[in-house]
Amino acid sequence: DADVTQTPRNRITKTGKRIMLECSQTKGHDRMYWYRQDPGLGLRLIYYSFDVKDINKGEISDGYSVSRQAQAKFSLSLESAIPNQTALYFCATSDLAGGFGNEQFFGPGTRLTVL
Amino acid sequence: DQQVKQNSPSLSVQEGRISILNCDYTNSMFDYFLWYKKYPAEGPTFLISISSIKDKNEDGRFTVFLNKSAKHLSLHIVPSQPGDSAVYFCAASINYGGSQGNLIFGKGTKLSVKP
Repeated sequence: DADVTQTPRNRITKTGKRIMLECSQTKGHDRMYWYRQDPGLGLRLIYYSFDVKDINKGEISDGYSVSRQAQAKFSLSLESAIPNQTALYFCATSDLAGGFGNEQFFGPGTRLTVL
Repeated sequence: DQQVKQNSPSLSVQEGRISILNCDYTNSMFDYFLWYKKYPAEGPTFLISISSIKDKNEDGRFTVFLNKSAKHLSLHIVPSQPGDSAVYFCAASINYGGSQGNLIFGKGTKLSVKP
């Protein structure tokens, strides 16, 4: 079984719709992250959470919101989707107790298309 | 401004030869560097890392070299295999005092290993 799962894997929606992407992990990690990947732009951080009560904005948080429902669950919402939010979205986790460095473990991604 | 740069969007190598993927960074505070590998329709997976107290780290066919004075790191794959064909992301973080900073990713280099 996958350690980091994302649902849905693919989603097509229309401009103005609200959409939620969900992430669950069984790794027992404290930290969770949401990234988006666009062609030629690499991975950019949207939001991150160090624990259930700690939510932080990343590089490109405008137009997104998140909720950390439990240690194992971190969801990303697009309140009113727009076409330039069409991208591949990744959830990741890391272990605060992992010592030096910050190896992150990624989910399989959600491909979102906003028409 | 891009803090982590991968200036080659793509690289093509013959099977059995060496693949060298390059990464430059601008922030001298970065003290931990990672390489991730990404296949289509999958999330990035951790490949190898190096801390700034070292200049080389080796794991099987993969070796990462760090040149702090030049703010440059490279990933060597020897010998290259067709299964190594993927997008490779360089990432960096600041972990001074154990703070485990967020990862800053480059835009990626697509490696194609031809049989």
